This record gives sequence, C-alpha cells and structure tokens, in this order.
Amino acid sequence: QVQLQESGPGLVKPSETLSLTCTVSGGSISSYYWSWIRQPAGKGLEWIGRIYTSGSTNYNPSLKSRVTMSVDTSKNQFSLKLSSVTAADTAVYYCARVRESHAGGMWTYYFDYWGQGTLVTVSS
Amino acid sequence: SYVLTQPPSVSVAPGQTARITCGGNNIGSKSVHWYQQKPGQAPVLVVYDDSDRPSGIPERFSGSNSGNTATLTISRVEAGDEADYYCQVWDSSSDHRGVFGGGTKLTVL
Repeated sequence: QVQLQESGPGLVKPSETLSLTCTVSGGSISSYYWSWIRQPAGKGLEWIGRIYTSGSTNYNPSLKSRVTMSVDTSKNQFSLKLSSVTAADTAVYYCARVRESHAGGMWTYYFDYWGQGTLVTVSS
Repeated sequence: SYVLTQPPSVSVAPGQTARITCGGNNIGSKSVHWYQQKPGQAPVLVVYDDSDRPSGIPERFSGSNSGNTATLTISRVEAGDEADYYCQVWDSSSDHRGVFGGGTKLTVL
C-alpha cells in the first residue's frame, strides 16, 4: 500500500519561501507523476502542480511564477518550494500520486493516493 | 481556463439517493473524477474516469457524464457518507493542469 507523508515547517514568514517534502513509501516513486494540492481553511482544493520522475513539471498558471518542484528518486521524495509567500498561501498542503488514464481516447489524470496533509501558516 | 461548478450543498435523508452535479463547458468530452473528503481528513478518490470505482469503494457510489453536466450518485445514503465532495478534470487545452470544482457539502438529514 502506497503511503505519502508531507514534512516541513508549519510556520513561514511573509515574503519568505515555503518548503515541503513528500516521502513516498510502500512503492517506487519512479514512472509516476506526483502532485501538490492545497486547501485553505474552509475552502476548496487547489492544484499547485505536478512533477514526473524525469523532472518534467507542469504548474498552475496562477502560481507558476512562484513555484518550483523537484524530485529525488534515490530518497523516494519530491518537494515543493513556493516563494514570496503571503497570508493567502496559508493552507493545508497535500501531496498526491497522479494516475494517468486514456479513457475515451484522451489522456486524463487523477489523484489516487494522498498524504494526510500538513498545515502551513504564513505569519510574522 | 476551464471552470467546474458544483452546488454548495445537497441534503438527503438516510436510505435515499443523493445526486451531486458538476457543470462545465462540454464536460462530457472530458473524464471526470470524484473525491470524498471528511472533516480533518485527506480527500479519497471515489470515482474515476466518469464512472469507475477504485477497489474498496462501495457500489452505492456511481458516476455519469454527458453534455455540460457530470453527476455523482450515491444510492442508499448512510450517515457515514456525510462529507464534502469534489469533482476534478484535467485541462489539456493550454497548460496541462488539474482543475477542481468548488466542492459540495452533502448533509444526511
């Protein structure tokens, strides 16, 4: 059974960089896409981006200028950096495994395993 | 950018059928995935590719997708089904990106 665990500081100061790591256990990180998704308190889910184990990335256009994702296959980990954070970046951050499907003749992607989530608060 | 619209809330009595909709422009041409999220927990995939269920998800959960509306149907609703439900698609029109609906709170009366 694949398990994901987020780790990183729970408190980040405004204008600084948020850094989180997701450790994957129970399976190899290779040959999958991996995503970060966040959820402000009382609000919905927001996709942040995805990374393939080759290092190829796609980011949410609304966050693209501030997001960097990386992967370390030797440690079965992938990471998120979000720069110049403000209070609006306060949220529970989830990491998730991305599954691809070729249903209906087109590629689609969904999230089959999720971490438990980690709360990151941006405050001075 | 592609937008998914869900009703904020749906209420249903135990044993009845709940239908949660997800609207989007020609969403029937996309594959829709659904997640259940209970308070304080991570989302759980309950339906993928419009109507397929992951192992361990009861047959009471089903999905359909046509035209501009996708629907998650929960039959014989139980108290334990009370949760937030999110639809999701993959938008490959410009940038590749995941898109979530705003979520629907299912209340079991």
